[in-house]
Amino acid sequence: DVKVTQSSRYLVKRTGEKVFLECVQDMDHENMFWYRQDPGLGLRLIYFSYDVKMKEKGDIPEGYSVSREKKERFSLILESASTNQTSMYLCASRPGGYRGYTFGSGTRLTVV
Amino acid sequence: GQQLNQSPQSMFIQEGEDVSMNCTSSSIFNTWLWYKQDPGEGPVLLIALYKAGELTSNGRLTAQFGITRKDSFLNISASIPSDVGIYFCAGRDFGNEKLTFGTGTRLTIIP
Repeated sequence: DVKVTQSSRYLVKRTGEKVFLECVQDMDHENMFWYRQDPGLGLRLIYFSYDVKMKEKGDIPEGYSVSREKKERFSLILESASTNQTSMYLCASRPGGYRGYTFGSGTRLTVV
Repeated sequence: GQQLNQSPQSMFIQEGEDVSMNCTSSSIFNTWLWYKQDPGEGPVLLIALYKAGELTSNGRLTAQFGITRKDSFLNISASIPSDVGIYFCAGRDFGNEKLTFGTGTRLTIIP
């Protein structure tokens, strides 16, 4: 089975800190995604990448950036964390073609 | 970004009951997916649908790709306690790498 691993299950950071969320997949998938999940809003796409060093903005990219230096790793960066970025962050990956995503277990980030 | 309309938002049922939920979109999709999320975990793919009218089962779960390509349905028969969680629909249109997700249906089983 494909495994998508997010480095932290829970994080608490202070306002203004730079935050890195790491995601690694082990099945050579081309496409990787970062979502945030908030009650009543479902899953909203922040950024995605379809190849190394390639990135595309999703629906809510403001306040975030991403990095994909290697195919298996996709990092989400909060340049200056704010309290409204407190959320559950989910990473996903997918091979080419019309297939479903495989999600990681999520990182619950609290910004205080 | 576009959101799918998923209903109901929540369901409270007794063990053994059947469950139905649906998702509608204002635009056409060529792929519909149904996911389940357990508390504290990421969503897990349950069923994938690729053709209009397709009916696919996975154990007690059955999902259908609507003929209009703008909706999909998920049914769970004879619910059991481990069915508790949040169910998400997701759709993808032609040539688009991104999935659009519904807002979720939270299923609770009353003892």
